[in-house]
Amino acid sequence: EPEVTQTPSHQVTQMGQEVILRCVPISNHLYFYWYRQILGQKVEFLVSFYNNEISEKSEIFDDQFSVERPDGSNFTLKIRSTKLEDSAMYFCASQTGLGYEQYFGPGTRLTVT
Amino acid sequence: AQSVTQPDIHITVSEGASLELRCNYSYGATPYLFWYVQSPGQGLQLLLKYFSGDTLVQGIKGFEAEFKRSQSSFNLRKPSVHWSDAAEYFCAVGARNQGGKLIFGQGTELSVKP
Repeated sequence: EPEVTQTPSHQVTQMGQEVILRCVPISNHLYFYWYRQILGQKVEFLVSFYNNEISEKSEIFDDQFSVERPDGSNFTLKIRSTKLEDSAMYFCASQTGLGYEQYFGPGTRLTVT
Repeated sequence: AQSVTQPDIHITVSEGASLELRCNYSYGATPYLFWYVQSPGQGLQLLLKYFSGDTLVQGIKGFEAEFKRSQSSFNLRKPSVHWSDAAEYFCAVGARNQGGKLIFGQGTELSVKP
C-alpha cells in the first residue's frame, strides 16, 4: 500500500540553524500539508500546498518557514532560523483531492537546543 | 471560530469493555469528520471518516462513529476493547471550502486494563 514517507525521523539542531524536513507524498496525490505537534499538545495545521503554491497557511507559518516541491516527488519544509519553540513533531500529509482523506507520514521529531 | 473539543483527556477501560470517545465540533461549513489514532512514537492512522450519507460509519479495527448534526458530535465507539487499542485518539474536522486543512481536537489517551 502506498504511504507517505518522511526523513529524517529525528533531527537535532542548535537554535538559529536552518533545517529542512523532507517528505515524499503518495505519488498520485495533488494536495500536500504540513502539521506539527508540540509534545503533549494537539496536532496543528501549518500549511497546505497545491499546484506548486501555498493555498493556505496558519499564523504559525511565519516568514521563518517555507515549503517547496523541488522535483515533483519531494515536499520540503524549511525553517530558516530555528527557535526553541520550534521543537515538535512535524507531520507531512498528502491527499488525492479536497474532501478526501489525508494520509499522514510517520513524522520528524525536531529538537532545537 | 472553528474548533474541535474532546472533553476527555484520559480514559481507562477494562479489556473487553465497551468504549465511547466523545468529540464535539464548532464549524461554520458542512464538516467532514475524521478519527485518527496515534500509537506512541508513531504517525497518525485514519480509523474512519464521515463525508456524507449514512451517519453511522464503520472503520478499521472494529471502530464505528456516529455523526449527530443536532448535537455537533461525532463520537467514536467500540463494543469490546482490546489491549492493543491503547493509544491516543484524535478527532478532526475539515471542509471542502476551507482548503483542505484539518482542525484537530486535543486528543484522548486511552489506557486498557487487563
